[in-house]
Amino acid sequence: EVQLQQSGAELVRPGTSVKLSCKVSGDTITAYYMHFVKQRPGQGLEWIGRIDPEDDSTKYAEKFKNKATLTADTSSNTAYLKLSSLTSEDTATYFCTTGGYVMDAWGQGASVTVSS
Amino acid sequence: DIQMTQSPPSLSASLGDKVTITCQASQNINKYIAWYQQKPGKAPRLLIRYTSTLESGTPSRFSGSGSGRDYSFSISNVESEDIASYYCLQYDNLPYTFGAGTKLELK
Repeated sequence: EVQLQQSGAELVRPGTSVKLSCKVSGDTITAYYMHFVKQRPGQGLEWIGRIDPEDDSTKYAEKFKNKATLTADTSSNTAYLKLSSLTSEDTATYFCTTGGYVMDAWGQGASVTVSS
Repeated sequence: DIQMTQSPPSLSASLGDKVTITCQASQNINKYIAWYQQKPGKAPRLLIRYTSTLESGTPSRFSGSGSGRDYSFSISNVESEDIASYYCLQYDNLPYTFGAGTKLELK
């Protein structure tokens, strides 16, 4: 059974960047695509993008193309989401999630609060 | 991008009721729709994939159907543990897109 362990909550300043991690256990990270999903407080789910850790190819939703960067480190079985030029609109919980075509294993979520 | 129009935004049900949520895609998604349950402070949980295939552990009171652009998700005989938000997800085309969600509350 695949398990995903995400990094902890972050309090960051506007205009800076943050890098969240998602460690895979129970399988190799290259077995499936890794997706990331955003959820603002009290709001719905937004698909940010996905990475294929086998070849580092990525696909992003249009609104996240200049905001999010997905990477993966196969040696540590860990995927990363970097968010840049942070604003209050980026305050949210970010989930990593994986599976075959559909995401069936989820991390616990990482809270990012952007505040001065 | 494919838009997923999910309705209703909220539902009020009594224990034992049957409830239905619908999602309409902006184009044919070839049955590649999944349904997730999310409880406050928790990650989403996959309940149904490929329109109607129940995940292991998903109670049989949950069901899904549909084709083309129109899909539905039902809970027969609502139980207290079903109080949550529900989301559809299309995974036919990139970018994947979620419906806006339905919050199920007890009447």
